[in-house]
Amino acid sequence: GESVGLHLPTLSVQEGDNSIINCAYSNSASDYFIWYKQESGKGPQFIIDIRSNMDKRQGQRVTVLLNKTVKHLSLQIAATQPGDSAVYFCAENSDSGGSNYKLTFGKGTLLTVNP
Amino acid sequence: DAGVIQSPRHEVTEMGQEVTLRCKPISGHNSLFWYRQTMMRGLELLIYFNNNVPIDDSGMPEDRFSAKMPNASFSTLKIQPSEPRDSAVYFCASSVIGGSTEAFFGQGTRLTVV
Repeated sequence: GESVGLHLPTLSVQEGDNSIINCAYSNSASDYFIWYKQESGKGPQFIIDIRSNMDKRQGQRVTVLLNKTVKHLSLQIAATQPGDSAVYFCAENSDSGGSNYKLTFGKGTLLTVNP
Repeated sequence: DAGVIQSPRHEVTEMGQEVTLRCKPISGHNSLFWYRQTMMRGLELLIYFNNNVPIDDSGMPEDRFSAKMPNASFSTLKIQPSEPRDSAVYFCASSVIGGSTEAFFGQGTRLTVV
């Protein structure tokens, strides 16, 4: 029979454009968030992180915005390149009590960059 | 550092057989995580260890799954007996306890149970 897979949100952009990938998280007590990039056949790779006492953090070509009021994260990629094509996951530390560290992942967004 | 090392990279086994996946975390990291990734369910946390002690195994699907961490540099995830629905990519990740550092992932083990 036909298999039903996880229908990832997809974003298709032109090379050179800016990309914005959104993520809603579930736990209002989460205090640490990470964006990961996963290329085909590889493990997730760290891009950028942000703590809950911040609402914006910038890296090289990437910016993460955190809105705790509505439990929303976004990842902005400037001047998107073909090498940015991948699945992007947001992750939250959903067990921030004490020293525990339980990283829970979102469903992911497939970014395709057209040359 | 070579990063998180997982073995084997690929495993094909028959239903009913025992499967053991292995992980070597990054030296100095004291948290270790096992994740499973499928098209149906995405990335799921199975179990994690702090200082070699299992902290939360609520993600382990059933008793057929077990994980151990006998020392700071080695962990195993065992499935006995394996079933076709266990087919997935299994990732190991490691981090430093503290809650504000990223987890580093291995390349994963692609398991196929036929």
